[in-house]
Amino acid sequence: QSVVTQPPSASGTPGQRVTISCSGSNSNIGSNYVFWYQQLPGTAPKLLIYRNDQRPSGVPDRFSGSKSGTSASLAISGLRSEDEADYYCATWDDSLSGRVFGGGTKLTVL
Amino acid sequence: EVQLVESGGGLVQPGRSLRLSCVASGFTFDDYAMHWVRQAPGKGLEWVSGISWNSGRIDYGDSVKGRFTISRDNAKNSLYLQLNSLRAEDTAFYYCAKDTLYNYDSTGYFDYWGQGTLVTVSS
Repeated sequence: QSVVTQPPSASGTPGQRVTISCSGSNSNIGSNYVFWYQQLPGTAPKLLIYRNDQRPSGVPDRFSGSKSGTSASLAISGLRSEDEADYYCATWDDSLSGRVFGGGTKLTVL
Repeated sequence: EVQLVESGGGLVQPGRSLRLSCVASGFTFDDYAMHWVRQAPGKGLEWVSGISWNSGRIDYGDSVKGRFTISRDNAKNSLYLQLNSLRAEDTAFYYCAKDTLYNYDSTGYFDYWGQGTLVTVSS
């Protein structure tokens, strides 16, 4: 069981806006940056958001991240079929002294 | 272009050992910390271990502590993971991942990943 929790699934229709939550505690999200990774079927994960709300070059501005207290969120606007993937939040846990991932959220585009 | 190529996976019996390798190219290997992350088939990501640029800092996830050993050879641009006392629950794809920092901490992250090597633990 991960110390950081995500809903196992989310869905939306093309063009919609969807959000994926990531919940932790003071020892992880509450005191550290949050990162988001996208994993398309059969591929390695790819960085989507770093340091809570920063987008690497090449990531569309349809993707945005935010953090408040011990929770974080990934928002995807203008949903597209190619956004169907697994999404993972990640952070550092001070108690474990290591990186931790959320359990992942499978996004389905209906 | 950054490339990370893992090898060494395969089928192994419970209790046996295996050594994974990751060869890096396209960046100055000894400027960055490196990590192993695993993913059981159909499951989520799990950070396994990290090593700083000069091997001065090494950490392990609780599930592998005492059984797995991470190491690196900067002269060969290579990262390794020695897996001992393997269990069925160690069955997973093992990814090599590059850090953005030379000595990983809470501010860094994984910016490049390999394609993974599959380890299957079964009798």
